[in-house]
Amino acid sequence: EIVLTQSPGTLSVSPGERATLSCRASQSVDARRLAWYQQKPGQAPRLLIFGASSRATGIPDRFSGSGSGTDFTLSISRVEPEDFAVYYCQQYATSFTFGPGSRVDLK
Amino acid sequence: EVHLVESGGRVVQPGGSLRLSCAASGVIFDDYALHWVRQAPGKSLEWVSLINWDSGRTFFADSVKGRFIVSRDKSNNSLYLQMNSLRPEDAALYYCAIAAGDGAFDMWGQGTLVTVSS
Repeated sequence: EIVLTQSPGTLSVSPGERATLSCRASQSVDARRLAWYQQKPGQAPRLLIFGASSRATGIPDRFSGSGSGTDFTLSISRVEPEDFAVYYCQQYATSFTFGPGSRVDLK
Repeated sequence: EVHLVESGGRVVQPGGSLRLSCAASGVIFDDYALHWVRQAPGKSLEWVSLINWDSGRTFFADSVKGRFIVSRDKSNNSLYLQMNSLRPEDAALYYCAIAAGDGAFDMWGQGTLVTVSS
């Protein structure tokens, strides 16, 4: 099983600042089948990024994904108030596993 | 665009059974995959099962293999999860989700809550 670890556990930022979240896989993720989801309290997860770097439909361009192999990054160029949430990475190359999540909260 | 609505969650005793449903509105194409994902309170997400919409082929997480059955009814655009021999660790919010593109989970329902307690 591919195990995903995410860091930091919590990132405190001010609106307008840049946020960078990391996702590391225990083994290489084939074909960059790595996704990022955003989840707000009481809501279902929402797909942000698929294929490591492609934005899902309707996702603002302040969200970007990068990486390959075992190291992936989600960046929010300028955090908006609606971006405070928990972010999960997921690999879907070999079965399906999710990371533990990274919380982005208000500094 | 497909919208998903789960139902069927309730309190059930350990060892009991429960059937969850997921109703889909919109067109589901044959190459889509439908998933069940669960989330225990305050925890991360755990993939549970997958069914290929066209072939009906199914896959399960090891934690539920042999206890859960997934099925779909193409005539009414519905997905089902039959959960048997339920354990306290199966308690969670259960989401259905659809993978329509490269395999990432494009759309999710709002979830249905399963509580396993005596």
